[in-house]
Amino acid sequence: GAGVSQSPRYKVAKRGQDVALRCDPISGHVSLFWYQQALGQGPEFLTYFQNEAQLDKSGLPSDRFFAERPEGSVSTLKIQRTQQEDSAVYLCASSLEGGASGVSSSYNEQFFGPGTRLTVL
Amino acid sequence: QKEVEQNSGPLSVPEGAIASLNCTYSDRGSQSFFWYRQYSGKSPELIMFIYSNGDKEDGRFTAQLNKASQYVSLLIRDSQPSDSATYLCAVPYYGGSQGNLIFGKGTKLSVKP
Repeated sequence: GAGVSQSPRYKVAKRGQDVALRCDPISGHVSLFWYQQALGQGPEFLTYFQNEAQLDKSGLPSDRFFAERPEGSVSTLKIQRTQQEDSAVYLCASSLEGGASGVSSSYNEQFFGPGTRLTVL
Repeated sequence: QKEVEQNSGPLSVPEGAIASLNCTYSDRGSQSFFWYRQYSGKSPELIMFIYSNGDKEDGRFTAQLNKASQYVSLLIRDSQPSDSATYLCAVPYYGGSQGNLIFGKGTKLSVKP
């Protein structure tokens, strides 16, 4: 079946422009995560949705970052007034339910999309 | 704040050798651990999950967990050039979320033919 898809795959923005990044999770997956991955670093958590509810946005670096998932499927990450430090790969991941679990032998695997590489000039 | 530490490498091993990748974590309460593989320009993919002390084997991969030492490792036996990738160690965080992952910086592995 289809995996997680993201669009666009590449985005070049001039400093100060607004951008919108889209994520299509695996059909039926309840949980959706956004991560930011800078060059040479591991992914860093931005925000989490369970269906349409944004349950955690503690990782969003500033109020210029905004995410939504209005119908509990597709999600959009919007960055306003982009800055050079926003340049990174933005990864979306979905899981069937809950998060990574791990309190027992079970786990909810997070499936990652291909990412959107954002370059801010 | 949970932290996950990995040597960034690069780690270079000859084809057929055992590659050993290490990870330490700061939160003694962490229960489970994930190893992801990320090829250059690609998304991370899960290759191992471990929650019990000791070893877990899956094909050429073995994850080793020592909770007392807060240490988890990944061994790749009979390394192949196709194993060349960045390996990310991750632990789940249950603060305000439902288990988002805290990743290390990753170790870049290069397997030379």
